Amino acid sequence: ETGVTQSPTHLIKTRGQQVTLRCSSQSGHNTVSWYQQALGQGPQFIFQYYREEENGRGNFPPRFSGLQFPNYSSELNVNALELDDSALYLCASSLRQGSYNEQFFGPGTRLTVL
Amino acid sequence: AQKVTQAQTEISVVEKEDVTLDCVYETRDTTYYLFWYKQPPSGELVFLIRRNSFDEQNEISGRYSWNFQKSTSSFNFTITASQVVDSAVYFCALSEAALDQTGANNLFFGTGTRLTVIP
Repeated sequence: ETGVTQSPTHLIKTRGQQVTLRCSSQSGHNTVSWYQQALGQGPQFIFQYYREEENGRGNFPPRFSGLQFPNYSSELNVNALELDDSALYLCASSLRQGSYNEQFFGPGTRLTVL
Repeated sequence: AQKVTQAQTEISVVEKEDVTLDCVYETRDTTYYLFWYKQPPSGELVFLIRRNSFDEQNEISGRYSWNFQKSTSSFNFTITASQVVDSAVYFCALSEAALDQTGANNLFFGTGTRLTVIP
């Protein structure tokens, strides 16, 4: 196990609703990245947070937003949910130091939008 | 632009057979990192290996081995004497040099190869 936890495990929402997913990073890590994995696909990078600020973003609309807290935990918020938002959402934590920072993944939150 | 291609969608092998998972990547960067992850049914991505673009030395770790060839932009993964516990989806991923040299790199994944090992 990586020490990265996510909640909830599963979630069902209806189209148009808003959702908040949570991630607790591994102890000592200061960076959190979020990925969306649609069924049968590889994970896609949503964004990354470092020192409570967004630092890098993939090709996702503004209705995907996030927060990082002083304890380095993070939230992913999605507004105006669409059916295509149904996916496994993975967070990964890392410690920013040097030229590369290994990412450790949590178990994911499976979101179903009806 | 970055791209990772895993042409094999699904592979089935009988236990104890060897199996090779293919990965081809595209990048314009001269410095990059390549990865293999395993995703069992539980969903958590399990890190297997990381290689940087300057290190083409092939690696063996137990039953796992990796063949990195820059000339063909390939980073293939072989499991020797496969076991039922190897059944999972395997992802190849690419990370380019840090966006702003502070480590804000992210991972670009292929679509994965589902490996089924039959007892």
